[in-house]
Amino acid sequence: GQNIDQPTEMTATEGAIVQINCTYQTSGFNGLFWYQQHAGEAPTFLSYNVLDGLEEKGRFSSFLSRSKGYSYLLLKELQMKDSASYLCAEGGDYGGATNKLIFGTGTLLAVQP
Amino acid sequence: DAGVTQSPTHLIKTRGQQVTLRCSPISGHKSVSWYQQVLGQGPQFIFQYYEKEERGRGNFPDRFSARQFPNYSSELNVNALLLGDSALYLCASSFSGDYGYTFGSGTRLTVV
Repeated sequence: GQNIDQPTEMTATEGAIVQINCTYQTSGFNGLFWYQQHAGEAPTFLSYNVLDGLEEKGRFSSFLSRSKGYSYLLLKELQMKDSASYLCAEGGDYGGATNKLIFGTGTLLAVQP
Repeated sequence: DAGVTQSPTHLIKTRGQQVTLRCSPISGHKSVSWYQQVLGQGPQFIFQYYEKEERGRGNFPDRFSARQFPNYSSELNVNALLLGDSALYLCASSFSGDYGYTFGSGTRLTVV
């Protein structure tokens, strides 16, 4: 089946580090995506992992373990503007659609002073 | 460069009515995908079009239909609106249906 799990909410302090976990179960896996979505806005692309390991991009890093069906997004030096929903999405070729994204419900991150 | 543009930004409709949402992809992008995002949930895949042909369809009823025009813009139509159709409808474009998705700001549809 296609089931993506991530925590519903998380709270962290400005300047700290937070890790948002995501697990997935599916066949036809073709990559794991992370998007950031501020309230009322469109999702914006953060990262894409297709091979195992860590991808670092500034304050944001993403990790993938295909054998464990597991990914995490690491946010360092948290800023107030990082308060948003973080969506984990699996990409794959499903039902003819190339690279259809299957999203989790999102993790609402609240950064506190 | 203009990003993905969607119109209208907000819309209020009555149950049973029909609605058409529009999307213009990034210049040069040939693929458009539509997603529905209900409040508090992640986006759910509705359709993908590439070169004016439907490439895939999500688990949505036949009340939902879409098409892509020669200029690669797209329309999503929903007939016989239900209260449960209230959501943010997102359009995403990419060059060839690959992973370079860029989302538009969405159309917020409210059905009353």
